[in-house]
Amino acid sequence: GQQLNQSPQSMFIQEGEDVSMNCTSSSIFNTWLWYKQDPGEGPVLLIALYKAGELTSNGRLTAQFGITRKDSFLNISASIPSDVGIYFCAVTGTASKLTFGTGTRLQVTL
Amino acid sequence: DTAVSQTPKYLVTQMGNDKSIKCEQNLGHDTMYWYKQDSKKFLKIMFSYNNKELIINETVPNRFSPKSPDKAHLNLHINSLELGDSAVYFCASSLWTGSYNEQFFGPGTRLTVL
Repeated sequence: GQQLNQSPQSMFIQEGEDVSMNCTSSSIFNTWLWYKQDPGEGPVLLIALYKAGELTSNGRLTAQFGITRKDSFLNISASIPSDVGIYFCAVTGTASKLTFGTGTRLQVTL
Repeated sequence: DTAVSQTPKYLVTQMGNDKSIKCEQNLGHDTMYWYKQDSKKFLKIMFSYNNKELIINETVPNRFSPKSPDKAHLNLHINSLELGDSAVYFCASSLWTGSYNEQFFGPGTRLTVL
């Protein structure tokens, strides 16, 4: 099945630092999504991208839909402790089926 | 107000037992999903129902049987539980418009099979 590879797999950063992560696919997709999963909770949608090259922000988060439509990037500026969690990219297929990436685990130290 | 709720939150059971997980959404959505998250945190869709009709059925053992009594509920029944069924199961819901609509996830049910 379709594999979305995320990197890095995990990150340990200090509060205040900026974070970058990416997601790549071998196939082209028309919608890219970024979700965050807090410990013990379900994923929550952060940003949705619908157009190649699109750059979208949500507060301190900025995501980009790659020009090739095979990748996407998520940046978090000035990280804070509540940014801790697992970040997933996802793409949509037929019947609104979501395929999730392998996840990037973020730890923030004070 | 809870949007997507699941019961139970935790489920510990013996191999070979049959168990059910319930999901309810009060968002007025018409499509509901079940996802499985394994120990490595990989999330994968299992089933999807639209207006009580099965529209996605991934390669899931037939020991897993979803049931949707109405648009607001999607339950998951698992027969003859195996060790490999241990995972966190997430229910989600969305509106069906033919293009992508945000899926809202429940808090998950952690199933442990001993």
